[in-house]
Amino acid sequence: QITLKESGPTLVKPTQTLTLTCTFSGFSLTTSGVGVGWIRQPPGKAVEWLAVIYWDEQVRYMSSVKSRVTITKDNSKKQVVLTMTHMDPVDTATYYCTKFLGMSRIDYWGQGTVVIVSS
Amino acid sequence: QSALTQPASVSGSPGQSITISCSGTSSDVGSYNLVSWYQHHPGQAPKLIIYDGSKRPSGVSNRFSGSKSANTAALTISGLQAEDEADYFCCSYSSISTWVFGGGTKVTVL
Repeated sequence: QITLKESGPTLVKPTQTLTLTCTFSGFSLTTSGVGVGWIRQPPGKAVEWLAVIYWDEQVRYMSSVKSRVTITKDNSKKQVVLTMTHMDPVDTATYYCTKFLGMSRIDYWGQGTVVIVSS
Repeated sequence: QSALTQPASVSGSPGQSITISCSGTSSDVGSYNLVSWYQHHPGQAPKLIIYDGSKRPSGVSNRFSGSKSANTAALTISGLQAEDEADYFCCSYSSISTWVFGGGTKVTVL
């Protein structure tokens, strides 16, 4: 059974750095084609892809957040970490950890974690 | 504004068929057969129901089908059931090595 679970702070102050951890099970991030990524959904708005890291260390970032975001993985811990600097109230959203299969699809999603950016 | 355009809402009676469109451009939907669709019940994790335009993952009902014409993809739900009431959103790989999503469509079963 494949599961992904997000963890991190619910409340972050503007200008602070957000660190979210995804702990997954049921698959390996060393398997060819597999990636783990982060996707967010602001309240009342569309889903938005942020970043993905693949089994071969390839990383990709959404252009509008590329200067603020870093994604890393720890295969032994089965964790992927997203770091986002200079948080702003517009970054308030539900953040989802997701499993990618190549470029084709996101085949599993976590339940999501709410992040509120407010002073 | 979303990269892919979907109707905000679609409704139908039990047993009917409904179709949700997902309009993109020649840089995403039109260039790749990499459109996926997700069903999202509030409070739950989104679920993959169609990938590569028209393929169904194991365990997904064959009442869900996907298609594509030019820059527009579509999801059809046939034999609409109460449990199909949810939000549905599309996703496509894009030529700038990213993934773009639709704004989501709320399906209501009357």
